[in-house]
Amino acid sequence: DAGITQSPRYKITETGRQVTLMCHQTWSHSYMFWYRQDLGHGLRLIYYSAAADITDKGEVPDGYVVSRSKTENFPLTLESATRSQTSVYFCASSEVDRGRNEQYFGPGTRLTVT
Amino acid sequence: SQKIEQNSEALNIQEGKTATLTCNYTNYSPAYLQWYRQDPGRGPVFLLLIRENEKEKRKERLKVTFDTTLKQSLFHITASQPADSATYLCALGQPGGATNKLIFGTGTLLAVQP
Repeated sequence: DAGITQSPRYKITETGRQVTLMCHQTWSHSYMFWYRQDLGHGLRLIYYSAAADITDKGEVPDGYVVSRSKTENFPLTLESATRSQTSVYFCASSEVDRGRNEQYFGPGTRLTVT
Repeated sequence: SQKIEQNSEALNIQEGKTATLTCNYTNYSPAYLQWYRQDPGRGPVFLLLIRENEKEKRKERLKVTFDTTLKQSLFHITASQPADSATYLCALGQPGGATNKLIFGTGTLLAVQP
């Protein structure tokens, strides 16, 4: 099906473990984004990518790593999970047309770090 | 530092009335502003975009205004319905729109009572 998907939808992991959240979009959008959403903070940008092999930091990148070898995939890796990374993670994509710029969001991944 | 403020408390309104949500920002000159709707357990969904040179935008029962002097956007839902109950997020686009990045407010929870 066309759209943007995230996996897993729910994940429980232990402190210190590495965990990868997957994001896949079928629109061939140039831009992809990773956000975390926490109560009281709203959506905060972790990393974004303007195209394959081009990534850049957002507002809260520490402790996260991204890659984008293919246009459609944008995985987010927590190298050594901490409790403060317990959050809901959203992936989004948008096209480069500057007349619109709306972002299309995935359903989110709820991550709990114990 | 850049700051985006939305009504922090939930907005309760009677069905059929007009709901008005506020988005204020400081230390920022956005090229455009967007509004998103977010339902519980789901990712945000794009509703409307308004550019810095536009005063007002309408889409069906939705109306957005943008006052760059006051640094404020108002989001109106006329003839509100219980199905309009959700969290509404405003998001500011970067000047020039070169990166497609957005900065999100924390959102306002709207509850429409039947």
